[in-house]
Amino acid sequence: QSALTQPPSASGSPGQSVTISCTGTSSDIGGYDYVSWYQQYPGKAPKFLIYEVNKRPSGVPDRFSGSKSGNTASLTVSGLQAEDEADYYCSSYAGNDNVIFGGGTKLTVL
Amino acid sequence: QVQLVQSGAEVKKPGASVMVSCKAFGYTFTSYYMHWVRQAPGQGLEWMGVINPSGATTYYAQEFQGRVTMTRDTSTSTVYMDLSSLRSEDTALYYCAREIQPHAFDFWGQGTMVAVSS
Repeated sequence: QSALTQPPSASGSPGQSVTISCTGTSSDIGGYDYVSWYQQYPGKAPKFLIYEVNKRPSGVPDRFSGSKSGNTASLTVSGLQAEDEADYYCSSYAGNDNVIFGGGTKLTVL
Repeated sequence: QVQLVQSGAEVKKPGASVMVSCKAFGYTFTSYYMHWVRQAPGQGLEWMGVINPSGATTYYAQEFQGRVTMTRDTSTSTVYMDLSSLRSEDTALYYCAREIQPHAFDFWGQGTMVAVSS
């Protein structure tokens, strides 16, 4: 299975909103509401941000939101802050107990 | 509090095998599936497979079938990932990650670097 497709980079100024897309197929994103998002700082393990498309674990700021339309999921970061500069990864259930990740997006806060 | 503590870095020669451990603290070990995810230097995340610590059922990504084995020891709350026939492309940081919701991972180990070099 190929990785989910994410843009390599995204950027925005402090206070702005940025949306990162994650495109798959009807066999993964389009077929299940099991899309998750993770934030990763350099040299650190990924941090859990979003699950089941649009649910936030406790402790995750509501500036982070998720959505899905067809075979594409999206992560929106509102009110950008300097600390949001990191790599972001999407993942999706792909059937038969498989999970697939996106290639990652490097978010730069200008 | 929940913690996943992994074993230390490894250096292996091509063709060898490596075993990475992940010891769980702060929760009921058998209540949550454990996944393994790897990340090659400068690259993205790659899912390898999952083990149910309760019944030891495993599911592996097709890419790793035949080369990976995941096991667990409930007496020590530890899961193990064994990868054989190592090649240079297996050089990566290997993470264990706890599944909290279907196919979503809330806690991750610190990562174990495995370097494969002749």
